[in-house]
Amino acid sequence: GAGVSQSPRYKVAKRGQDVALRCDPISGHVSLFWYQQALGQGPEFLTYFQNEAQLDKSGLPSDRFFAERPEGSVSTLKIQRTQQEDSAVYLCASSQLVEGGEPQHFGDGTRLSIL
Amino acid sequence: AQSVTQLDSQVPVFEEAPVELRCNYSSSVSVYLFWYVQYPNQGLQLLLKYLSGSTLVKGINGFEAEFNKSQTSFHLRKPSVHISDTAEYFCAVSLDYKLSFGAGTTVTVRA
Repeated sequence: GAGVSQSPRYKVAKRGQDVALRCDPISGHVSLFWYQQALGQGPEFLTYFQNEAQLDKSGLPSDRFFAERPEGSVSTLKIQRTQQEDSAVYLCASSQLVEGGEPQHFGDGTRLSIL
Repeated sequence: AQSVTQLDSQVPVFEEAPVELRCNYSSSVSVYLFWYVQYPNQGLQLLLKYLSGSTLVKGINGFEAEFNKSQTSFHLRKPSVHISDTAEYFCAVSLDYKLSFGAGTTVTVRA
């Protein structure tokens, strides 16, 4: 496809379960980002990949959050032992270059609800 | 660290009227500035960006923004809105690769 694709679009899980969210960036895009958007708030940065290297994970809220991009394309965000405060929309974005100011292209997000 | 403040959480406006969404940022160094729009249940779409040069930036769908360094502002404007402009608007700042977003402004356009 032409844009960033995220799956699933909606995920409901019980507290304590593990979840995995997938992001398929625009083909050829070097940079990949994950953001968390709480209800009524702006997105907040979680982590950044340049190809397969995770260069910044300073926004991950706890060690229950883990992200990977093993072949430099598709990325997975995994949340272990989910808590209610993990309920949010998780947005993935990609950009072609590494340069500052390069616009990021966003997927439609995965809405995660923890019961 | 940089931060963004969107001064209006909600802006109701009548169709064909002008609209201005206010954004202030704080940073000790030069930054890149962006406006994104988010329609319900969708991701963010880039409206416009300021990297350098002319302080008046034109974007898609008739939007424009003006960068004011002395006031550290980057306000978004549209001279005549349509019903389809109803959405959430986010101002964002970037020093390098990481975007820092404001809390958003909900624009509701009424006939």
